[in-house]
Amino acid sequence: EAGVTQFPSHSVIEKGQTVTLRCDPISGHDNLYWYRRVMGKEIKFLLHFVKESKQDESGMPNNRFLAERTGGTYSTLKVQPAELEDSGVYFCASRQRSPGTGDNEQFFGPGTRLTVL
Amino acid sequence: SQQGEEDPQALSIQEGENATMNCSYKTSINNLQWYRQNSGRGLVHLILIRSNEREKHSGRLRVTLDTSKKSSSLLITASRAADTASYFCATKETSGSRLTFGEGTQLTVNP
Repeated sequence: EAGVTQFPSHSVIEKGQTVTLRCDPISGHDNLYWYRRVMGKEIKFLLHFVKESKQDESGMPNNRFLAERTGGTYSTLKVQPAELEDSGVYFCASRQRSPGTGDNEQFFGPGTRLTVL
Repeated sequence: SQQGEEDPQALSIQEGENATMNCSYKTSINNLQWYRQNSGRGLVHLILIRSNEREKHSGRLRVTLDTSKKSSSLLITASRAADTASYFCATKETSGSRLTFGEGTQLTVNP
């Protein structure tokens, strides 16, 4: 079974440009998460999709970030316009639906390393 | 201090020795998960321990959870050079399903 995949693996852009990151979750996983790690700090939650709906987007830093999951399959995270402080590694994770309160594993992708110059 | 703080920040040991990493957290949790990240790679899920569990084993890994002290430990026995990586604990609170990560422990196992 394929794991979570992310594209691209690396992206280098100029400040003010737009970048779109893609995540393909494990097939059949309703739950999809975006996290990021900036400046060597801890990994922080950005948002959570259940199928195509945003369940929790409280971690999104500002309105320059837009996440979508049309059709409830893959997700994209767009940063527009990118700023220097957006540099970091963006991780996607997926999780199977669980009967309880999300009490099962999240499986992470390899991440996209974003560098904004 | 942050939810899910790991201790120590860095650990260097010889192959064959045991490595112990600790994690402390602040809120009530539903479960705690440990992940490994090899340099430049993604996060690999190692083990999940639920709040009603005290100890769990998986191969050379042993995880304990003390909810009264809000702490967890990850023990890697008979370490190998391939265990060299960053190790993160992540907590899932009782509400929502987001994970809250600590800053990680960098483990170096010298051959």
